[in-house]
Amino acid sequence: KNQVEQSPQSLIILEGKNCTLQCNYTVSPFSNLRWYKQDTGRGPVSLTIMTFSENTKSNGRYTATLDADTKQSSLHITASQLSDSASYICVVRTLTGNQFYFGTGTSLTVIP
Amino acid sequence: SQTIHQWPATLVQPVGSPLSLECTVEGTSNPNLYWYRQAAGRGLQLLFYSVGIGQISSEVPQNLSASRPQDRQFILSSKKLLLSDSGFYLCAWSVRGRGDKNIQYFGAGTRLSVL
Repeated sequence: KNQVEQSPQSLIILEGKNCTLQCNYTVSPFSNLRWYKQDTGRGPVSLTIMTFSENTKSNGRYTATLDADTKQSSLHITASQLSDSASYICVVRTLTGNQFYFGTGTSLTVIP
Repeated sequence: SQTIHQWPATLVQPVGSPLSLECTVEGTSNPNLYWYRQAAGRGLQLLFYSVGIGQISSEVPQNLSASRPQDRQFILSSKKLLLSDSGFYLCAWSVRGRGDKNIQYFGAGTRLSVL
């Protein structure tokens, strides 16, 4: 069964600290994995997209990693800011068809 | 540049009333279009997707329907709303034929409350 699981479900960190969000998937055949940031009451916005051959990709203070062998991905946020408070969603796309599988997200709260 | 418009932003409707949510995309042609629902504390659930005018694929059987009367217009409808239809509805588009780099771009969403 194709699934995407994210952990932790929620996270609270102090401003300026780093954090890492996890995504494990069982989707097959794998095409790519992307991380989205969703502010409360808004639509998700793409942060990074990674294909099978990519291990690391950065977008400013966001760094995503992918281990296609273990089917795990992580999103590392460095020097967190209050504006990082949002839900972070991991999405995996299949190689065939037009299927996107969404995780339930990690709710991140950055406090001063 | 491409933009996606979704309206209304919020909607409160009584049970049994009809529904029509509209989504339009600008700045691109022949997009793939999607309707998602996001319940509180849950992940996004794909409801419908379309690869062309009049071509609709339904992922989840329910009392909702979708239509694509024009290339860049996607409409989500219901004849009679249920309480369980409450949620956050998101429209998205993606470029057709971009292969592995296919990214979905989301609208701002519609918060639907059925009372």
